[in-house]
Amino acid sequence: SQTIHQWPATLVQPVGSPLSLECTVEGTSNPNLYWYRQAAGRGLQLLFYSVGIGQISSEVPQNLSASRPQDRQFILSSKKLLLSDSGFYLCAWGRGGTNEKLFFGSGTQLSVL
Amino acid sequence: ELKVEQNPLFLSMQEGKNYTIYCNYSTTSDRLYWYRQDPGKSLESLFVLLSNGAVKQEGRLMASLDTKARLSTLHITAAVHDLSATYFCAVDAREYGNKLVFGAGTILRVKS
Repeated sequence: SQTIHQWPATLVQPVGSPLSLECTVEGTSNPNLYWYRQAAGRGLQLLFYSVGIGQISSEVPQNLSASRPQDRQFILSSKKLLLSDSGFYLCAWGRGGTNEKLFFGSGTQLSVL
Repeated sequence: ELKVEQNPLFLSMQEGKNYTIYCNYSTTSDRLYWYRQDPGKSLESLFVLLSNGAVKQEGRLMASLDTKARLSTLHITAAVHDLSATYFCAVDAREYGNKLVFGAGTILRVKS
């Protein structure tokens, strides 16, 4: 069966510090991978998605970046965090195709102080 | 710009009552998803609706899709406390590369 791992679960970082969140998927190959952010009391905003190694599409301009160094690994990064980067970050994977259903990781609660 | 609008955004209801959550979207799509999120937790898939007129039921929840009206509903029957959570609809938008665009979510609180 497929599983998705996301860590850390919580993170408190000072403004201006770097960020690295990691997500890995097991039990499937060539998944579509996604990073979403959920601000407090808000819906989910798609940040990045990837259909293959090294292929990253960005949905919104921001100071975050994503990378996919391996087929089942997706990393969300920032060189300098802003207060507005605080939120709940969710990684998700899907099999692609026209009926794609997403499976979400457990999320990372990021607080930038 | 694709818009996915849910209403209500907050719903407080008594146990045993029925209610409906609505999800309107602004694109042509025949694929819509409902997810549940418990506080501080990740999202759990509830329903996948893949065609006009699709209806799916699981326990006290029933979801339907009307692609002509660009509307999906999530109906709650005889609510119980365990249904308290945030419910999201998400639309599979072709012009956005078949990526999911989420509504803002409906916070449901079922009171004993």
